[in-house]
Amino acid sequence: DTGVSQDPRHKITKRGQNVTFRCDPISEHNRLYWYRQTLGQGPEFLTYFQNEAQLEKSRLLSDRFSAERPKGSFSTLEIQRTEQGDSAMYLCASSLADSGFQHFGDGTRLSIL
Amino acid sequence: QKEVEQDPGPLSVPEGAIVSLNCTYSNSAFQYFMWYRQYSRKGPELLMYTYSSGNKEDGRFTAQVDKSSKYISLFIRDSQPSDSATYLCAMSANTGGFKTIFGAGTRLFVKA
Repeated sequence: DTGVSQDPRHKITKRGQNVTFRCDPISEHNRLYWYRQTLGQGPEFLTYFQNEAQLEKSRLLSDRFSAERPKGSFSTLEIQRTEQGDSAMYLCASSLADSGFQHFGDGTRLSIL
Repeated sequence: QKEVEQDPGPLSVPEGAIVSLNCTYSNSAFQYFMWYRQYSRKGPELLMYTYSSGNKEDGRFTAQVDKSSKYISLFIRDSQPSDSATYLCAMSANTGGFKTIFGAGTRLFVKA
């Protein structure tokens, strides 16, 4: 069990560029979650998958955001046409389907210039 | 009003002190209650979880849940400088896939 892995750890980009983050969950976990955390706040839910199906999306997830989990293993989160307000830590978490709690990765910190 | 309220602190205590961290919540559907510890530039690390009401103890940590008052607590005994971190309370329910709702986090400093 190597834990939840996220890549890259830090991404710096110019406003208007597209970025993509990757998450590798704990191998036996069939649920995968994405959260966003800004300075001084707790993580906020964005979306989650059970296996390859995306079951819920938060209203925080605008049309510029898209997430995939094509084979029910790793997941990607893409942000198109980045804006200053997208600067945050993007956290991935995973769990078993009947578990009320999740294990988190160390996140991808996004900085928009 | 937020679903989960948590005093952001900061809370500063001397080494060896007993620390009490608390959260209140409004959604009676929450079933799982968690405490996560987060160090700077790292992800949240699960410390304790409790299902429904009651107490749970793990070493120097004790978690308490009072569903009738919608109030949860984390106690840290014999606090150490290595306990200095942000502590996040969190809650979930089996409706909506156990997506977790977090408090804002309390910053704790334990002085040697």
